[in-house]
Amino acid sequence: DVKVTQSSRYLVKRTGEKVFLECVQDMDHENMFWYRQDPGLGLRLIYFSYDVKMKEKGDIPEGYSVSREKKERFSLILESASTNQTSMYLCATFNYEQYFGPGTRLTVT
Amino acid sequence: GENVEQHPSTLSVQEGDSAVIKCTYSDSASNYFPWYKQELGKGPQLIIDIRSNVGEKKDQRIAVTLNKTAKHFSLHITETQPEDSAVYFCAAGRDHSGYALNFGKGTSLLVTP
Repeated sequence: DVKVTQSSRYLVKRTGEKVFLECVQDMDHENMFWYRQDPGLGLRLIYFSYDVKMKEKGDIPEGYSVSREKKERFSLILESASTNQTSMYLCATFNYEQYFGPGTRLTVT
Repeated sequence: GENVEQHPSTLSVQEGDSAVIKCTYSDSASNYFPWYKQELGKGPQLIIDIRSNVGEKKDQRIAVTLNKTAKHFSLHITETQPEDSAVYFCAAGRDHSGYALNFGKGTSLLVTP
């Protein structure tokens, strides 16, 4: 089975902090994605990556950056967390079908 | 960019009845259409998908139909059971965008015994 793991299930950070969300996959998939999920808005794509050191902006990249130094790891970075970034963050990989991690519920106070 | 509309936002059916959820998309280049089920506290799980070279796909009680001309696709669940209760998402994507998906806003399905 494909496994996509995210470093934390729940996270609470303060406004202005730099936040790192980590995602690791164990199936050597090239494509990885970060989405955020908000009630009534569904899932929205933040960033994705085709390969190591490659990244592409999704629909809502503002306030976020990403890092992919190794194929199995894709990190989402909130440079200066704000309250409107309180959300559920979902990492995913793709190889013929998309596999999601369990999500990180981030609260910014 | 791609815009995916999903209806209805909530759906309540009696156990044993059928449930239908519909989605439309705007990008005619989209060629991959998955459906996900999300239970409380979990990430979305793929339940069925269809690619643009077929019009219908079935897996036991679940089927998906695709009309490329009209740019809409639908999920059909027959003989619903209480464990089918969840939020369902449709999505559309293109292989030459690395399958970055655009999602509908979700349908909350409740199956009552």
